[in-house]
Amino acid sequence: SQQGEEDPQALSIQEGENATMNCSYKTSINNLQWYRQNSGRGLVHLILIRSNEREKHSGRLRVTLDTSKKSSSLLITASRAADTASYFCATDDGNNRLAFGKGNQVVVIP
Amino acid sequence: ETGVTQSPTHLIKTRGQQVTLRCSSQSGHNTVSWYQQALGQGPQFIFQYYREEENGRGNFPPRFSGLQFPNYSSELNVNALELDDSALYLCASSLVKANTGELFFGEGSRLTVL
Repeated sequence: SQQGEEDPQALSIQEGENATMNCSYKTSINNLQWYRQNSGRGLVHLILIRSNEREKHSGRLRVTLDTSKKSSSLLITASRAADTASYFCATDDGNNRLAFGKGNQVVVIP
Repeated sequence: ETGVTQSPTHLIKTRGQQVTLRCSSQSGHNTVSWYQQALGQGPQFIFQYYREEENGRGNFPPRFSGLQFPNYSSELNVNALELDDSALYLCASSLVKANTGELFFGEGSRLTVL
């Protein structure tokens, strides 16, 4: 089955800096999504990028997708303390069944 | 707030027991999926229900079973609990064929098996 894998696993940055996370996957996808999770609670959808898209923006978030390399990146600009969370990429097989990576833990230091 | 509610939020069971977890989908959503998230890991897909029928299953044994009711709420049942079943169980609802792809997650039920 498809499996997103994020890199790096943990990231610690100062407030105001940018945070970049990468994700790779193994098979063809319909779309790729990024989710955020605060302290073992429920996941919150951040952004979805379709297989025919290369870049997408939402507020301070920018996602890129390179289907030839089977990889995606999530950029959070001007980070805030409230951005401290775990971030997961997930690939969708087209039927809303997601395969998640292990996640990136991001700590934003005020 | 996603509109997806799960119960109970926490529970402790012993090995060999059975557990039932419940989920109320967001209004208007016809699909519910269940995920298992072990500590420090990403969520793993258990199964999905669409219109009360199982619509896809991950790599989980038959002792993991589910139901979806006419009001689209759902249950996850796990029989013969094992220590490795200790995890956060997440329910997510969606509207298949809405072409949005987004899943709406509940806060989860944290199961501890002793």
